[in-house]
This record gives sequence, structure tokens and C-alpha cells, in this order.
Amino acid sequence: DVKVTQSSRYLVKRTGEKVFLECVQDMDHENMFWYRQDPGLGLRLIYFSYDVKMKEKGDIPEGYSVSREKKERFSLILESASTNQTSMYLCASSPPGAGGNNEQFFGPGTRLTVL
Amino acid sequence: AQSVTQLDSQVPVFEEAPVELRCNYSSSVSVYLFWYVQYPNQGLQLLLKYLSGSTLVKGINGFEAEFNKSQTSFHLRKPSVHISDTAEYFCAVSDTFVGKLIFGQGTELSVKP
Repeated sequence: DVKVTQSSRYLVKRTGEKVFLECVQDMDHENMFWYRQDPGLGLRLIYFSYDVKMKEKGDIPEGYSVSREKKERFSLILESASTNQTSMYLCASSPPGAGGNNEQFFGPGTRLTVL
Repeated sequence: AQSVTQLDSQVPVFEEAPVELRCNYSSSVSVYLFWYVQYPNQGLQLLLKYLSGSTLVKGINGFEAEFNKSQTSFHLRKPSVHISDTAEYFCAVSDTFVGKLIFGQGTELSVKP
């Protein structure tokens, strides 16, 4: 079974802090994704990566950055956390392949509260 | 640009009743369509997907969905729901080139005894 793990289930930070959210997958997937989930808005893509050291902006990248130094690990960074970044953050991975027909496998999520 | 609209934000239903969760999409290119389920305090897991071929797709836990190209819909159905089906359900579309998913707003299914 594919396993996607996220470093924390719950996290509380203060405004202005630098925040790291870590995601690790164990199935040697090339593709990894970061989403945020807010009530009534569904999931929105923040960043994704198709390979080590490669990253692409999603639909809402402002205020975030990412790092992918190893294939299995994809980190989301909030350089200076703000209260409007309070949300549920979900990481996902998928195998390579043309055409977008591959299932994405999700981690359990990190609920981040910024005070 | 692609988009997904889930027409109901909340669907309450009694146990053993049938249910339909509605999803409409817009896209100018061929698409792949997915339904995911999120149980409380968990991540998302795949229920079913439409890639090509038969328009009726069967998934896990007795769910099925029908792809209707003319109506640009991909509604999810189950003939008889259980309490354990209480969850949030997300419809998503993937473009055929880069594999990004665009999600709908989600539908909360609440099954009552």
C-alpha cells in the first residue's frame, strides 16, 4: 500500500514565524503535490513537483514556497506565517505517466492554526 | 480553464435510502474524472475514476458514477447508504497533459439512522 505521511496532524504557530510542513511518501512516486483545504472551497493546489529539485506553482502559491531535495520528501514552507494561512494542508503523491490518469494518494493532513 | 461544480454542499439522507451527489465540470479538452471520499479526520481516498470506455464506472463501497459528456456531468450514486458512508465527497477533473487535479467544493453526506 502507498503510504503518504505528514510530519504533524496539528500545528499551532504565531504570526510571522517560519513554518515547515513535511511530507514523505514510500512508493517511489515522481509526482508530489501540496493542497490547502478550506470549508466551501474544496482543495486548492499550492505547488507541485514532478521530480527532485523541480517545482511548479499551482493556483495559490503566494506566501508559500517548497523544497524537494529527495524524491520521497516534499516540504511546504511558510516564510512568514499569517492568520489567513490557517487551514488544513494535504500532501499527495502519484506515479509518473502521461495523460493525468494516475490516482493521487493523500496523506492524513496537517491542521495549521496561525495565531 | 477547467472547473468543477458540486451542486450540493450538504446532503442529509436516511440509512438504506438511495443517494446521488451531483458534479458538473467544464473543460475544453478531454478530461479524466475522479471521485474522492474524506472520512472525518482523514486524508482523501479514491472512490472511482473515469478515464475512457464505459460511461458507467463502479467504485469501492458500492458507489458508482456515470459520465455524461453532453451534460458535462459525473454524478455519484449509491442505491442504499450506510451510516459509515457519512463523509465529505469531492469530485475532481484532471487535464490530460500535466495531471493536475481541479477539485469541486465538496459535498457533505450525512447518513442518519
